[in-house]
Amino acid sequence: QKEVEQNSGPLSVPEGAIASLNCTYSDRGSQSFFWYRQYSGKSPELIMFIYSNGDKEDGRFTAQLNKASQYVSLLIRDSQPSDSATYLCAVRAGGGADGLTFGKGTHLIIQP
Amino acid sequence: DGGITQSPKYLFRKEGQNVTLSCEQNLNHDAMYWYRQDPGQGLRLIYYSQIVNDFQKGDIAEGYSVSREKKESFPLTVTSAQKNPTAFYLCASKSPGSGGPRETQYFGPGTRLLVL
Repeated sequence: QKEVEQNSGPLSVPEGAIASLNCTYSDRGSQSFFWYRQYSGKSPELIMFIYSNGDKEDGRFTAQLNKASQYVSLLIRDSQPSDSATYLCAVRAGGGADGLTFGKGTHLIIQP
Repeated sequence: DGGITQSPKYLFRKEGQNVTLSCEQNLNHDAMYWYRQDPGQGLRLIYYSQIVNDFQKGDIAEGYSVSREKKESFPLTVTSAQKNPTAFYLCASKSPGSGGPRETQYFGPGTRLLVL
């Protein structure tokens, strides 16, 4: 059974600080890793994806992947109140598998 | 204006009734997916289709059925056999990438199904 684990939160971060969201996964053969942001009552929107060990930066967002530790994280720099949402970690297995396995999400609150 | 559309936004089902949720995309994506989200939970895969006239069961297919007669459309039917259908249903399609790790899924706005 493939599992993706996230701390459900809420994670409260002051405005302007760095928010750090973490995710672990059980399937060592997982190939690709995705972070989605979901506002209350809305559908998920893709923030970033990563598939190589190391860091990947896109604007205020940095995704970090450590396959040896089966760990992926998302850093949000200069956090804004509009970043307040639930962040979903998703994993796609390798070997031609399709569909994504999602964590339950971390609820992030940016305090003005 | 390219994207994924789902209708209706809200759907009410009576006991013993089958209902169909619509999903349409004009992104020319081959692969399409249906997920279910329960409150406070992550998304769970119901069915997916990688090509027209072919589809595969996901993790929670029981009580659901799909068809893929056109590339643009992937409707989901929630049958009376699904005993706990109340959830947020999300359709997604995947950008092509020759099966590589860059392939990403994009979601439609979702349909909320409620049981009367």
